[in-house]
Amino acid sequence: QQQVKQSPQSLIVQKGGISIINCAYENTAFDYFPWYQQFPGKGPALLIAIRPDVSEKKEGRFTISFNKSAKQFSLHIMDSQPGDSATYFCAASKGPGNQFYFGTGTSLTVIP
Amino acid sequence: DTAVSQTPKYLVTQMGNDKSIKCEQNLGHDTMYWYKQDSKKFLKIMFSYNNKELIINETVPNRFSPKSPDKAHLNLHINSLELGDSAVYFCASRTSGRGTDTQYFGPGTRLTVL
Repeated sequence: QQQVKQSPQSLIVQKGGISIINCAYENTAFDYFPWYQQFPGKGPALLIAIRPDVSEKKEGRFTISFNKSAKQFSLHIMDSQPGDSATYFCAASKGPGNQFYFGTGTSLTVIP
Repeated sequence: DTAVSQTPKYLVTQMGNDKSIKCEQNLGHDTMYWYKQDSKKFLKIMFSYNNKELIINETVPNRFSPKSPDKAHLNLHINSLELGDSAVYFCASRTSGRGTDTQYFGPGTRLTVL
């Protein structure tokens, strides 16, 4: 079964707007939650990650919000740009040496 | 320098053939993976190797066989290719320590089976 559920499947946002992608998980043993960004024809690359001891992590225009009690986390892209158009994957793992469980991906299109 | 490299980038072949995809990482990582990404972009883990030892083998047909000659290489051999094997295959490597736990993906190999 899908360990990490991701929504929406696709998202269209105007330039300058906020893009929000949501993920949910069930396994409370997960302790690492990364987001990966994938451009067409490329492999996924780490964008930002969070551990459950904090509720928010911000890196530039990208923010992860983490709600441990609800077992949900989300990626917020502020001031979205056309160059942000890509597929975004959330993931979760139980720690070093354990596999990543990826969400199903969100295709983001930012319209100029 | 490319951290994780794969060859070939594109592979077009006929049903029933046998083919291999090579992967090399120069990051000194202990763990390497193979993923399959289908047309819907879903990333499915296939195999995981740690220090040349298989640690994860998801439900994958035994036509797929990974081979790790050393820590830096994890190759994927596929026998008797089928139409459903058409996908993009990604190799990845990962640090094993605490801290930034990052998987580094290769550029992918697009396999097309005709």
